[in-house]
Amino acid sequence: DGGITQSPKYLFRKEGQNVTLSCEQNLNHDAMYWYRQDPGQGLRLIYYSQIVNDFQKGDIAEGYSVSREKKESFPLTVTSAQKNPTAFYLCASGRVGPQETQYFGPGTRLLVL
Amino acid sequence: SQQGEEDPQALSIQEGENATMNCSYKTSINNLQWYRQNSGRGLVHLILIRSNEREKHSGRLRVTLDTSKKSSSLLITASRAADTASYFCATMGGVSNYKLTFGKGTLLTVNP
Repeated sequence: DGGITQSPKYLFRKEGQNVTLSCEQNLNHDAMYWYRQDPGQGLRLIYYSQIVNDFQKGDIAEGYSVSREKKESFPLTVTSAQKNPTAFYLCASGRVGPQETQYFGPGTRLLVL
Repeated sequence: SQQGEEDPQALSIQEGENATMNCSYKTSINNLQWYRQNSGRGLVHLILIRSNEREKHSGRLRVTLDTSKKSSSLLITASRAADTASYFCATMGGVSNYKLTFGKGTLLTVNP
């Protein structure tokens, strides 16, 4: 059963706390992406990776960090430096190329206590 | 920066009617893609149209692309209540830049 999974579905962050969102895929995709979605808004790219052990900043990388130690996994850490972390976070994966599409996970909703 | 801009922001129609959503973008593209998002869920890819294509069909979906006007439209024919969702256009541009840039979406409500 191929797909992309995200956990947890809901996550609560306390002031000054770092939290990590999980993203796993078994589609054998080289590229993985993290997006942030605010209410009524489109998706904004946080970080992306097109190969293991390499990743690039997206449009809104400040306050976030990632790692890509395995092809299947691309965890996102929301650090305490991200002052407005409440949002819906979406992970996606895909093949690398000019005519490729992306496959999305179900998302993690992060709320601040 | 958000490349695509959808119009209208919200659209409400009756079941059986056609729904048309538009997308405009600013810079040259490799392709334009449409995605659907049900409330609180991830996005699902619907259709991709390459920059050298003008029209593409998939089931009840018809997409057009006018690169001279930097615009695209998504037509859903004979809509159903299950088509209720947000629809996003996303552009992929550049020679080696394979990132997608998403618009803010159109919220489509199909009333039974």
